[in-house]
Amino acid sequence: QVQLVESGGGVVQPGRSLRLSCAVSGFIFSNYGMHWVRQAPGKGLEWVAVIGNDGSNEKYADSVKGRFTISRDNSKNTLYLQMNSLRGEDTAVYFCAREHRFQENVKFDPWGQGTQVTVSS
Amino acid sequence: QSVLTQPPSVSGAPGQRVTISCTGSTSNIGAGFDVHWYQQLPGRGPRLLIYGNTNRPSGVPDRFSGSKSGTSASLAITGLQAEDEADYYCQSYDSSLSAYVFGTGTKVTVL
Repeated sequence: QVQLVESGGGVVQPGRSLRLSCAVSGFIFSNYGMHWVRQAPGKGLEWVAVIGNDGSNEKYADSVKGRFTISRDNSKNTLYLQMNSLRGEDTAVYFCAREHRFQENVKFDPWGQGTQVTVSS
Repeated sequence: QSVLTQPPSVSGAPGQRVTISCTGSTSNIGAGFDVHWYQQLPGRGPRLLIYGNTNRPSGVPDRFSGSKSGTSASLAITGLQAEDEADYYCQSYDSSLSAYVFGTGTKVTVL
C-alpha cells in the first residue's frame, strides 16, 4: 500500500541545520509532486514547500524562503527538506504529503506520520 | 496566520448533525480554487476527507459531505459518531500569496 515515512527530526540549536527525509513506497514516486507541511505545537497546519515530479518547480512559503531547500532523489524514492538557519518558530511536526494536481488545484493524499523538529538552546 | 477562517470548536451529541465553516476571500475560495477537507486524529497525520469541494475518497463514510458557495465552504457531519472526534482543516490555494493555504482548524467534540 502507499506509504510515506518521515525521519531525521530531533533537537537542534538555533542557527543550526537539519535534513529531513521522507521515504515513499507503494506508488511511482517520479510521477508525483511532493510537499512538506508543518504543524507547530498546539497549532494548525502550515504549508512549507513543494517540488515537481522531476525535481523542478520548487516553491516555498515566505516563512522559510531562503533558509529551507526541498529536493528529491527519484532513484531512491525519497524526498528531502534541508533546513538551515533554524529558528524557534520552526519547531513543529513536519509531514510529507503526495499531491494530486489539476493546475493550481492541489490536494494532499496521503500524508506521512510526521517527524518532530525542536529548535532550542 | 491563516487566510482561511474556521470556528475553533463545534460539538454535538451522537447522531446529531454538525457543520464546520471555512471562510476565505476573493483570492482563494472566491477565485474558484477547490476546497479540500482533512481529518486529523490525535498524534496522527491528516487524512483526506473531502476533495474538490464535494467529493469523498473511497473509504470515507457518506456521513461526511462538503459544499462551497462564494468565498466560503462547509463540511457537514451527519449521524455524529464518537470516532468523529478529531480536528478538521479546510485547504485551498491563494493566488495573492502564491501558496497553498489551510484553515485555522476546528476541533469536533462528541458529547
